[in-house]
Amino acid sequence: GEDVEQSLFLSVREGDSSVINCTYTDSSSTYLYWYKQEPGAGLQLLTYIFSNMDMKQDQRLTVLLNKKDKHLSLRIADTQTGDSAIYFCAESRFANAGKSTFGDGTTLTVKP
Amino acid sequence: EAQVTQNPRYLITVTGKKLTVTCSQNMNHEYMSWYRQDPGLGLRQIYYSMNVEVTDKGDVPEGYKVSRKEKRNFPLILESPSPNQTSLYFCASSLFRNNSPLHFGNGTRLTVT
Repeated sequence: GEDVEQSLFLSVREGDSSVINCTYTDSSSTYLYWYKQEPGAGLQLLTYIFSNMDMKQDQRLTVLLNKKDKHLSLRIADTQTGDSAIYFCAESRFANAGKSTFGDGTTLTVKP
Repeated sequence: EAQVTQNPRYLITVTGKKLTVTCSQNMNHEYMSWYRQDPGLGLRQIYYSMNVEVTDKGDVPEGYKVSRKEKRNFPLILESPSPNQTSLYFCASSLFRNNSPLHFGNGTRLTVT
């Protein structure tokens, strides 16, 4: 079955770049998503990438996809304390994001 | 404001006492889903619904029921809760079309003693 893996923790200093990595096993994944969960709240979509793209940039966020290695990364430039949260990688074989498989989440801690 | 609303936010109950967690969305979304979030296990899908009167099992449906009588509501029912259902529960919804992201509620923390 589908499997999505992420490292559990990442700690960076304010102003540095953060890179959160994710690997997935389903080669038929069509859409790959990054969600952010702040304390006491639900998940919010940060960005997504379609499987025929290699890179997507949106302000401070850069998503890189290596489809051959089934590796996805999220880079946050100039990381701020407000970026401290849990980040979930998710993949879907379907156009509907609802049938996504989620990773366990990476807890990002940003130190001042 | 477009949102997914879950109630209650916190619930403590005893084994065997039936409970319902409500979920409502005001975005006219076709797709709705329930997840549970547990430490070290990430998010696991319990049940989902592609439209009114259409529901299906997710990865961990045992011990749960759902219904979708109206498009906006998707309640999660625990007929006889057990301590292993102590968890953080999220409801989510989305349009059923390309690139439509999931919109999540703020979660319901359930403790079964």
